[in-house]
Amino acid sequence: AQKVTQAQTEISVVEKEDVTLDCVYETRDTTYYLFWYKQPPSGELVFLIRRNSFDEQNEISGRYSWNFQKSTSSFNFTITASQVVDSAVYFCALSEGAGNTGKLIFGQGTTLQVKP
Amino acid sequence: EPEVTQTPSHQVTQMGQEVILRCVPISNHLYFYWYRQILGQKVEFLVSFYNNEISEKSEIFDDQFSVERPDGSNFTLKIRSTKLEDSAMYFCASSERGGNNEQFFGPGTRLTVL
Repeated sequence: AQKVTQAQTEISVVEKEDVTLDCVYETRDTTYYLFWYKQPPSGELVFLIRRNSFDEQNEISGRYSWNFQKSTSSFNFTITASQVVDSAVYFCALSEGAGNTGKLIFGQGTTLQVKP
Repeated sequence: EPEVTQTPSHQVTQMGQEVILRCVPISNHLYFYWYRQILGQKVEFLVSFYNNEISEKSEIFDDQFSVERPDGSNFTLKIRSTKLEDSAMYFCASSERGGNNEQFFGPGTRLTVL
């Protein structure tokens, strides 16, 4: 069964703190892709990153970093030195299979509140 | 920067009425999608569309739903006879290469069924 679990419903931090958002996925496929999307209060979904199942290298983009561990089926997202503008709902998503039509399976989302 | 646009931003309708939600995908993209998000819940896949055909649809996408690309720029979602439970945010997305490649989402249309 294909599933994405984001166990943290809400996280609240103070500006400049580091924060990690957890994502655990389930899939039977050996080929799959993982994504993170940000949904700010304005409502749109903003693409952040895509990672394929064959590339376990961690990725860093500015204050954002992602840790992909196949052994624990996790794809966690860390924001370093958080800012108020990081306040949003963050969704982890999965697409699977070499012939995938593009269907994304989303987790429940984690609401991050960064207080000044 | 090119972006996906959706109209209207908010649609209010009476139960049983037909609604058409419109999307203009990014111009060089060939793969199109609709998702919905009931308030406070996760985003759910509805349908994927390529080469004027539905590639995949979810269980939610029943006979009341249809999609169309009526011209070279628009991509529409029609709900024939709306129900209260259709109230949600509907997102259109497009992708240049489809498959497992990144999808770019529009700002959404909030549909309220009374």
